[in-house]
Amino acid sequence: QKEVEQDPGPLSVPEGAIVSLNCTYSNSAFQYFMWYRQYSRKGPELLMYTYSSGNKEDGRFTAQVDKSSKYISLFIRDSQPSDSATYLCAIVDTGRRALTFGSGTRLQVQP
Amino acid sequence: DSGVTQTPKHLITATGQRVTLRCSPRSGDLSVYWYQQSLDQGLQFLIQYYNGEERAKGNILERFSAQQFPDLHSELNLSSLELGDSALYFCASSVGQTGNTIYFGEGSWLTVV
Repeated sequence: QKEVEQDPGPLSVPEGAIVSLNCTYSNSAFQYFMWYRQYSRKGPELLMYTYSSGNKEDGRFTAQVDKSSKYISLFIRDSQPSDSATYLCAIVDTGRRALTFGSGTRLQVQP
Repeated sequence: DSGVTQTPKHLITATGQRVTLRCSPRSGDLSVYWYQQSLDQGLQFLIQYYNGEERAKGNILERFSAQQFPDLHSELNLSSLELGDSALYFCASSVGQTGNTIYFGEGSWLTVV
């Protein structure tokens, strides 16, 4: 079993839709949760970072963490064609100090 | 622009050869991380250095080695290259030792022929 599981997609939605991207993890020692966006083999770009259960909002993006279920989500409101990219969840266990990435979900927003 | 600089952007080399990838972290960052991204393996953590010392090791092959210099730039050395080593190699950096917010460079695309 992988430490971080992520549905690879692709996920195709119409412009303006609400997008839900999800990851599950197995290690309860994971403490920090991040979402990265990666455009066509460019460097991953940090979108959101949180360390507690609950919601964190930044513009059209909301990150949600449920530590009891070991489940994290990223919601994108009013999705735009420019949001088309691969979204990677990343989790860090402070004991290990390095991020463990999900395999990424490819999102396509159709105009 | 994340502030992490990687060179070269692309390189093509033959099997059995050795290459060196270079990374300059963001100003003020003391940690450097190396990741490998291939089509079938996703983003794999290789190794982390903090202020010149190795801090964490991931799935790094024995043919690969890295170091971080006093000026904090880092190099990843890949030797006895095989076709399967073809991948994007990313460097990332962070201020502290804990990789909770790390910033990636644009990557070095290695093709082994």
